[in-house]
Amino acid sequence: DAKTTQPNSMESNEEEPVHLPCNHSTISGTDYIHWYRQLPSQGPEYVIHGLTSNVNNRMASLAIAEDRKSSTLILHRATLRDAAVYYCILISRGSNYKLTFGKGTLLTVNP
Amino acid sequence: DVKVTQSSRYLVKRTGEKVFLECVQDMDHENMFWYRQDPGLGLRLIYFSYDVKMKEKGDIPEGYSVSREKKERFSLILESASTNQTSMYLCASSFPGGGTDTQYFGPGTRLTVL
Repeated sequence: DAKTTQPNSMESNEEEPVHLPCNHSTISGTDYIHWYRQLPSQGPEYVIHGLTSNVNNRMASLAIAEDRKSSTLILHRATLRDAAVYYCILISRGSNYKLTFGKGTLLTVNP
Repeated sequence: DVKVTQSSRYLVKRTGEKVFLECVQDMDHENMFWYRQDPGLGLRLIYFSYDVKMKEKGDIPEGYSVSREKKERFSLILESASTNQTSMYLCASSFPGGGTDTQYFGPGTRLTVL
């Protein structure tokens, strides 16, 4: 499985934008880029996914580099409830639906 | 909204006991998964099932078995619990989407084996 690399931790202030980076230099053409997050004492929850084009939903935006070797999850206005571990995961079209979670990025949001 | 529920939030068992962890989803999803989460190791897949009575081993199936008799229910069984199975256990379900499928997770069961 292709691997992803994320910073261990990042810090942000409330109501400011947050850009969470992810490197996936060995991504293949059939890999989708997914982001999940895990709030304290909860199971992970889906945030967003994309293949080649940038994507927006009510939670976040996903910006994918043209060569697809990196991506950035953008939270437009961080709130205290966005403090969580964020995971960037690659899922191949023929992967048996497996999610391989790395260590993720612990996002701290300061009031 | 998709709901994935797990039978217990916290469970304490003794070494050698048989342990059943139950997971139920209400969205008619084909796929169901069991993970364990440990500090420093992240989430690791134990087993998954893509249909009733079908199962496949994940990355760490040793010491575990699973049962899926009905589409909405996926059980994880520890035949003889050991202390190294103390962990957070997470169940998830999804509709197959060929790479686009979204997994919905339950709240987790924190199992302590004494």
